[in-house]
Formats: sequence, C-alpha cells, structure tokens
Amino acid sequence: GNSVTQMEGPVTLSEEAFLTINCTYTATGYPSLFWYVQYPGEGLQLLLKATKADDKGSNKGFEATYRKETTSFHLEKGSVQVSDSAVYFCALSDLDTGNQFYFGTGTSLTVIP
Amino acid sequence: EAGVAQSPRYKIIEKRQSVAFWCNPISGHATLYWYQQILGQGPKLLIQFQNNGVVDDSQLPKDRFSAERLKGVDSTLKIQPAKLEDSAVYLCASSSGTGYFGEQFFGPGTRLTVL
Repeated sequence: GNSVTQMEGPVTLSEEAFLTINCTYTATGYPSLFWYVQYPGEGLQLLLKATKADDKGSNKGFEATYRKETTSFHLEKGSVQVSDSAVYFCALSDLDTGNQFYFGTGTSLTVIP
Repeated sequence: EAGVAQSPRYKIIEKRQSVAFWCNPISGHATLYWYQQILGQGPKLLIQFQNNGVVDDSQLPKDRFSAERLKGVDSTLKIQPAKLEDSAVYLCASSSGTGYFGEQFFGPGTRLTVL
C-alpha cells in the first residue's frame, strides 16, 4: 500500500541554521510528492511539490528532490528563520489509488532567535 | 480568490450527541475532500467527492459518519452519535482536478472535542 514516513519531531533550531526533515515513502504506483506546511492557527498550505523522479520542488528557500531510487523526498533549507516555525507534512498522491493523498505524521519545527 | 471556508471553527459536545460540519470549497473546484486529523498525526482521508458523486469513502466509519455534497458545491459532514475517539480536527480541502498533479487547498479546520 501507500504510506509516508517522516522523521519525528519536534525539531528546534537556531535562526540561520540548516534544516533537513527526512521523508520516505512507499507507493504502489508512481506518485507525486508534496510538502505541506501548517503555521500556528492556520490551515495546511502547499509548500512545494515534485511529480517525477529527479524533479526538484522549491519555494520560499525550501527545496526537496524526488529520489525514486531511495524513495525519498527530504525537505531542506539552508538558513531558517523564526517565521519558518510550523508543522511540516510530507504527502504523496498516487494515481493508482484514485489520487488519494497520504500524509506523514508531521514534523514540528521551532526556530529560536 | 476566497479560500476554503469551514464552520464552525470549534465545537465541544458530549459523547452520543450529534454534530455537523460545513464546508464551502473554492469556487469552481470540482473535487472536495474531508480529512480527520487526530492530534500528533497526519490528516487521514475520510471521503472524496467529485462534483456530486463519491469517489472514495473507504475510510469513512459509515455506522456513525455521513457526508453529502449537494449541487456539487457545499458539503456537510455529520457524526451521529459521537464517540470520545472522534475528538480531532476535521479538515476540508478542494482541488480543481482529481488531485494527481494538482494542489489541494485546505480550510482552517473544525476542532471537535468530545467529552
């Protein structure tokens, strides 16, 4: 079946530190991969996506590369800011299962000044 | 453009009571989703509509949960009767297609507490 596994949090970093949040997946077909972000008190927002192997999604300084050989989609940012404090969800959408979205459990990030 | 609207934002009920949530998707979005997000977990799909029709409701506890989407626009999700384990945030999302390459847009959610 389809599933997403994220590194467990919470993660606490100092401002300007390097961020990596690991995400691996299993899928029956050839999925699209997504990172969603949930800021405090707000709904989920799409951060970035990649639809095929070796694609790199990027937005707001965040990047993630679709690695089919390692079934991974790790989120990275070179220099985090306090405003990046949020919960980050990795997700996949698989055409073979009717385009359902499967979410990871989320990783809480706190950036301290 | 206006986002996905949900109401109420918060609801507290006693177990065995009934509750209903409402969702208004982004105008023109054919696909609507209801998710349950239990604290500390990722969202879990309950039901997916394509226009008026149900695409997937395999994870909807049909003995107590029901959902409808009249006229292919607004949707309501009902729980009757509620159990303690139904305490969660209920998220509504919409997309313009069937979601494979596209983005799902999420509402702010309804936080349900069952006492």
